[in-house]
Amino acid sequence: GESVGLHLPTLSVQEGDNSIINCAYSNSASDYFIWYKQESGKGPQFIIDIRSNMDKRQGQRVTVLLNKTVKHLSLQIAATQPGDSAVYFCAENNGAAGNKLTFGGGTRVLVKP
Amino acid sequence: DTGVSQNPRHKITKRGQNVTFRCDPISEHNRLYWYRQTLGQGPEFLTYFQNEAQLEKSRLLSDRFSAERPKGSFSTLEIQRTEQGDSAMYLCASNWGTPNTEAFFGQGTRLTVV
Repeated sequence: GESVGLHLPTLSVQEGDNSIINCAYSNSASDYFIWYKQESGKGPQFIIDIRSNMDKRQGQRVTVLLNKTVKHLSLQIAATQPGDSAVYFCAENNGAAGNKLTFGGGTRVLVKP
Repeated sequence: DTGVSQNPRHKITKRGQNVTFRCDPISEHNRLYWYRQTLGQGPEFLTYFQNEAQLEKSRLLSDRFSAERPKGSFSTLEIQRTEQGDSAMYLCASNWGTPNTEAFFGQGTRLTVV
């Protein structure tokens, strides 16, 4: 079936270190992936996206890697800051199926000062 | 304000009552989505509209749930005869209908059924 999951439910990281959040997906027809950040009591906030014709995309302090062979993507956050503490979700989309997103269960990132 | 707006932010209701939530999407967006999120889980798709047409409904959307987008702008989600299991965050998102474009989410409506 279609599912998106995360390997680590909680990640503690020292301020200033790099964070890596992993995600596995199972729908080989998915052609678009998004990482969202969600703070307590708020809606998901777009961080970065990647299309299936790419294997890497960089933003400001964030990098997303996509490995279609093993159906895996990751989010790397450079120089993690206290404001990065949140729950991070990966989501997949099959553009031919209406642009609805399938989310994984989330990884909580805790940044220690 | 150029973001997705949802009202109310919080709703507490007694079991068996009806509730209605409203979503105002980003004005240029023709697609509007409803998701439900329970604690510790990712959002789950409920339904989406392209303009005023409801194009897909999830199996999660029981017959007690109904969504409308009468003029292709704002949308409402109504839950009739609420149950405790309906307690969740209800999220609205919008985007252009072109493939592979990010969806922008509102802050959600937190529903608590007591």
